[in-house]
Amino acid sequence: RKEVEQDPGPFNVPEGATVAFNCTYSNSASQSFFWYRQDCRKEPKLLMSVYSSGNEDGRFTAQLNRASQYISLLIRDSKLSDSATYLCVVSPMNTGFQKLVFGTGTRLLVSP
Amino acid sequence: NAGVTQTPKFQVLKTGQSMTLQCAQDMNHNSMYWYRQDPGMGLRLIYYSASEGTTDKGEVPNGYNVSRLNKREFSLRLESAAPSQTSVYFCASSAQGPSYEQYFGPGTRLTVT
Repeated sequence: RKEVEQDPGPFNVPEGATVAFNCTYSNSASQSFFWYRQDCRKEPKLLMSVYSSGNEDGRFTAQLNRASQYISLLIRDSKLSDSATYLCVVSPMNTGFQKLVFGTGTRLLVSP
Repeated sequence: NAGVTQTPKFQVLKTGQSMTLQCAQDMNHNSMYWYRQDPGMGLRLIYYSASEGTTDKGEVPNGYNVSRLNKREFSLRLESAAPSQTSVYFCASSAQGPSYEQYFGPGTRLTVT
């Protein structure tokens, strides 16, 4: 089983739609959670961190469910510019230096 | 403020050739990382340097070596390239451990024939 699993998509949605992605992780001791965005043939960039209480940044809302070991990303009022691959990222709790574990990404295509 | 820079952007090697990928950051970050990204797989950590003067293996270190030349620079060397090392290589840096945001360079697209 992969440490971080995501539906690869693509999710095809019209402009203005609301879309949600889930991601599951296998290490119950994981402590830090993130969503990164990666445009085609570009580097990943941090979209938002995910906090236990959930958090919102404009049209983006992230939630963490520790009991079921998944995190979610909700995008409201989708824009064409939201088309990208969204990477779920988890930081396992290890002794010493923590390393990020990346999911393979969920591709979103927003159409006019 | 350039952030994280990588050279070269593209490279084609023949099997058995060697090369060094260069990475530099100007954000005064302590930690630096090398990842590879292959289709259908997430980014995988090759090597990392938690702080200047230290380096450690990540998930897929075989066939690679690294040097943390100073606080700014972290290079990745392929001693004898193999077709399995065809990939996109990203360098990243962060202020402290990887629980903090990692900033990525633009990547190096490497093809080994």
